[in-house]
Amino acid sequence: GAGVSQTPSNKVTEKGKYVELRCDPISGHTALYWYRQSLGQGPEFLIYFQGTGAADDSGLPNDRFFAVRPEGSVSTLKIQRTERGDSAMYLCASSMGLGRELFFGEGSRLTVL
Amino acid sequence: AQSVTQLGSHVSVSEGALVLLRCNYSSSVPPYLFWYVQYPNQGLQLLLKYTTGATLVKGINGFEAEFKKSETSFHLTKPSAHMSDAAEYFCAVSDRGAQKLVFGQGTRLTINP
Repeated sequence: GAGVSQTPSNKVTEKGKYVELRCDPISGHTALYWYRQSLGQGPEFLIYFQGTGAADDSGLPNDRFFAVRPEGSVSTLKIQRTERGDSAMYLCASSMGLGRELFFGEGSRLTVL
Repeated sequence: AQSVTQLGSHVSVSEGALVLLRCNYSSSVPPYLFWYVQYPNQGLQLLLKYTTGATLVKGINGFEAEFKKSETSFHLTKPSAHMSDAAEYFCAVSDRGAQKLVFGQGTRLTINP
């Protein structure tokens, strides 16, 4: 499709497990963003990529969270040793660059039991 | 640090009535301002944005917002509500030239027939 694609749409895991969430941005978009949205809250910034490099990872909550974008397109958000507090909707967005509109995917809902 | 406050987590209006969703921000410098809409099971969609120039900004679906620097506000309005406007609305702010959006907590808009 033409939009931002996120997989899986739903992920249920057990406390302590490792999780990967994938984001496929709009073709040609150089910037990619990850946000986390807890129930009843607005999205919170996690990390932003320009090309392959993480330009700003100041929103990652701790070292259990890591994200990569090795070829400047698809990105993977990795969460180690998941905790119940990690349960949230994880949103990915892409844009054509600085100051351009962000296009969001439908999100990956993570539930940690 | 920037922050966004949306007054009213839930707003209910009758079909055909005025829609007013309030947003106030705090920022040390004039920011970029955004309104996003989130329909059920869909990604966030940009309604409108203010960057520079005219302070009254028109967006999609008949919505508009006015940037008032003296009041640090960016309220969203629509003259006549339609049933299809029922959704969650988020106000967001970013520093000029920055990529990181800071979102408010959101306002759920309900339209009564």
